[in-house]
This record gives sequence, structure tokens and C-alpha cells, in this order.
Amino acid sequence: DTGVSQNPRHKITKRGQNVTFRCDPISEHNRLYWYRQTLGQGPEFLTYFQNEAQLEKSRLLSDRFSAERPKGSFSTLEIQRTEQGDSAMYLCASSLADREETQYFGPGTRLLVL
Amino acid sequence: AQSVTQLDSQVPVFEEAPVELRCNYSSSVSVYLFWYVQYPNQGLQLLLKYLSGSTLVESINGFEAEFNKSQTSFHLRKPSVHISDTAEYFCAVRWDTGFQKLVFGTGTRLLVSP
Repeated sequence: DTGVSQNPRHKITKRGQNVTFRCDPISEHNRLYWYRQTLGQGPEFLTYFQNEAQLEKSRLLSDRFSAERPKGSFSTLEIQRTEQGDSAMYLCASSLADREETQYFGPGTRLLVL
Repeated sequence: AQSVTQLDSQVPVFEEAPVELRCNYSSSVSVYLFWYVQYPNQGLQLLLKYLSGSTLVESINGFEAEFNKSQTSFHLRKPSVHISDTAEYFCAVRWDTGFQKLVFGTGTRLLVSP
């Protein structure tokens, strides 16, 4: 299977703990995106990378959130000092950077902060 | 501000009936348009897209959508739905402004009953 993969699929944590999610994009894709989806809403953009460079960040991405893509392949999204409001589905997508860019999504990581 | 509106949060329909899911967006600046489908506890799957060319685009499972620039709409239609079409459908727009993110609507839950 050459689609976007995300790990873990589910994460339950206690408030105040740190969590890290991983995304492996489609192998030839040079762009990688993170979105957050809360219950009953559409996904909201958080940040994106072109190769290893983080090019855009949403105001939703507070200083407790950090994302990396160190070698331009997989990416990690870390949330420090989790809050109950961080409970959501975190979606990763990847694409090829061209004019007709299409983003392909992974299955998501569902986070529950108790 | 760029926004995507899906006015219908839920659309109930009987099997084999036609359906239309509506999507409007905020600006007529050059856009790229997408419909994604989400099954419970899963990520988003690309259903169809409009990038350029013919304003009527089709998916492999019988859905179609028409780009209407004057009405800034991209409604999704299917002439005869199946039980298996029950899912959440999201309209997404990428404006050709140099920003790569997708802006999503809040989704429409299609409920197909026998």
C-alpha cells in the first residue's frame, strides 16, 4: 500500500502530558500537510512542509504545537502540555507541488485528552 | 475571508433516489475544487476534483459535480444512491493565491435508508 500512513491511530492521554504523532507521506510527494478535525466540523489547516521546510503555519498552531519534517520524508507533530481542547482527529495529507496539486489524506490519529 | 459553505448538515434520502449536496465558496478568484468523503473513524478519501477544463467532473462510483463560476458553487450530485454511499461529504477549496492550504466546509452527512 503506497498511501499516506499515520501512527498511532488512537491516543488517549492525561491532561498535561506530551504526545507525538507520525505521518509517512506517499513516497514521491514533496509536500506534507497537517490538519485538525473536531467533532462535527471540517478539517482545519495547521501547517505544511515543502521538503523539510515548514512554509506556512496557522494561528491555530499555538506554541505548544511543533511539527518537523527533518529529512523531507516523514513528519512528526508534537503537542506539549496537552489540554482537553486538543482532543480531535489529526489528519496528515501529502501532495506533489505543481499547479494541479491534489492532497491525499491518511487515516488520521484520534486524540483524546482526559 | 475565504470560506466554504455547506448549508445542509444532514441529507436523508431513500435508496435509489437522486441526491444533491450543495457547496458554495466565497470568492470567484481562480479556484481548485474538491469533494472528499469520510466514512466513520476514517480519514478523507478524494471523491472528485475540478482543476481546469470541463466544468462537469465525474467520479468512478457515479457521483458528479459541476463548477459554476458565476454562482461560486460546486454542487455534488448522484442520480441513484446506494446504502453504501452513507458517509460524511466535505467540499474543499484551494484558492490560486499562493497559499496551498485547503479550506473545508463543515460537511454534509448523507444518510441513505432502504
